[in-house]
Amino acid sequence: NAGVMQNPRHLVRRRGQEARLRCSPMKGHSHVYWYRQLPEEGLKFMVYLQKENIIDESGMPKERFSAEFPKEGPSILRIQQVVRGDSAAYFCASSFGTGAETEAFFGQGTRLTVV
Amino acid sequence: SQQGEEDPQALSIQEGENATMNCSYKTSINNLQWYRQNSGRGLVHLILIRSNEREKHSGRLRVTLDTSKKSSSLLITASRAADTASYFCATDITGNQFYFGTGTSLTVIP
Repeated sequence: NAGVMQNPRHLVRRRGQEARLRCSPMKGHSHVYWYRQLPEEGLKFMVYLQKENIIDESGMPKERFSAEFPKEGPSILRIQQVVRGDSAAYFCASSFGTGAETEAFFGQGTRLTVV
Repeated sequence: SQQGEEDPQALSIQEGENATMNCSYKTSINNLQWYRQNSGRGLVHLILIRSNEREKHSGRLRVTLDTSKKSSSLLITASRAADTASYFCATDITGNQFYFGTGTSLTVIP
């Protein structure tokens, strides 16, 4: 059972371009979470999705950022018109469900560098 | 902020010693989880402790949870150089998301 797969591992974009980050959850997991980690900091929650639904996007910037988790295929975090401040590591996690028994497993992350 | 706060921010010990890290949080939780992150890598899930549990063991790891004090501790016994990493606690409050602290950076000196 493969773990959470994120790709690409590293992504370089020029200011103004679009960045698309992909996350394939663990087999059987229908809950996906995206987090952002700035250098030397902890992880900041961005968005929580279940299949085809955004459940909580309270941590996601209102502009330029969007996320989806279609019925088929990976979850996508999309950043339009990237700026230098978007440079960070973006981690995806998945879980089987929610609640007291829930363990969230993380991918290796995508390191976005905006030049 | 509802984030967990780890203490200390950084810890440096000799190989073979025990390392203790603490995490405090602000609201009632469903569970609390500890993760390890090696430099430049992803997060590895270490252990989950439910809100009705007080202590849990996994190998050289011991986690305690005191819900009255809203705090948890992670003890790594007989530390090894390979334990060098950042350690994060994450609290599950709403079932929608996990709140992470800023982490404890552990260095184990061979």
